[in-house]
Amino acid sequence: ETGVTQSPTHLIKTRGQQVTLRCSSQSGHNTVSWYQQALGQGPQFIFQYYREEENGRGNFPPRFSGLQFPNYSSELNVNALELDDSALYLCASSTPTSGNLEQYFGPGTRLTVT
Amino acid sequence: QKEVEQNSGPLSVPEGAIASLNCTYSDRGSQSFFWYRQYSGKSPELIMSIYSNGDKEDGRFTAQLNKASQYVSLLIRDSQPSDSATYLCAVNAFGNEKLTFGTGTRLTIIP
Repeated sequence: ETGVTQSPTHLIKTRGQQVTLRCSSQSGHNTVSWYQQALGQGPQFIFQYYREEENGRGNFPPRFSGLQFPNYSSELNVNALELDDSALYLCASSTPTSGNLEQYFGPGTRLTVT
Repeated sequence: QKEVEQNSGPLSVPEGAIASLNCTYSDRGSQSFFWYRQYSGKSPELIMSIYSNGDKEDGRFTAQLNKASQYVSLLIRDSQPSDSATYLCAVNAFGNEKLTFGTGTRLTIIP
């Protein structure tokens, strides 16, 4: 167990709806990164949050947005859901400011869009 | 050319043998390299990190890095059925916050 938690575990949404996924980072970690993993693929970087600010973004449209809170937990919001958004959403926590670049993943949220 | 390439497998190895997993990357600015293990339906679990050329050993696992050849590998000695999983190679460039993953190699250990 990494100490990173995510909720909910599973979610089913309809195309066009909005969804919010949540992540609590490992104790002592100040940075949260979000990844999308489609079936049979490696995780794809969505964005990273550090000190409540977005600190880098991958090739995802603006309808993917996020937040980080003072306790370092984070949310991923996806608007106007599309069928292709069906995937495993992973958050990873880390403390790159300490020089340690290792990222530890939570259990993930499985999102199905119908 | 993909940024991080792995043979998707499946790779089948007899129990007790050495499993060898390979990964190549395209960005010469890459500084940090990681191996994750992912069981079916689960999230990736970090098993090895390597930052310098050469070998790094941790128990039955050895990571090997050759930056000149842009190549990183993972050896699993005395393979066990519990090692059956998908192994993901991830790369991080200096000053870049993201991990770039390969598509993973599916490893099956045959009892």
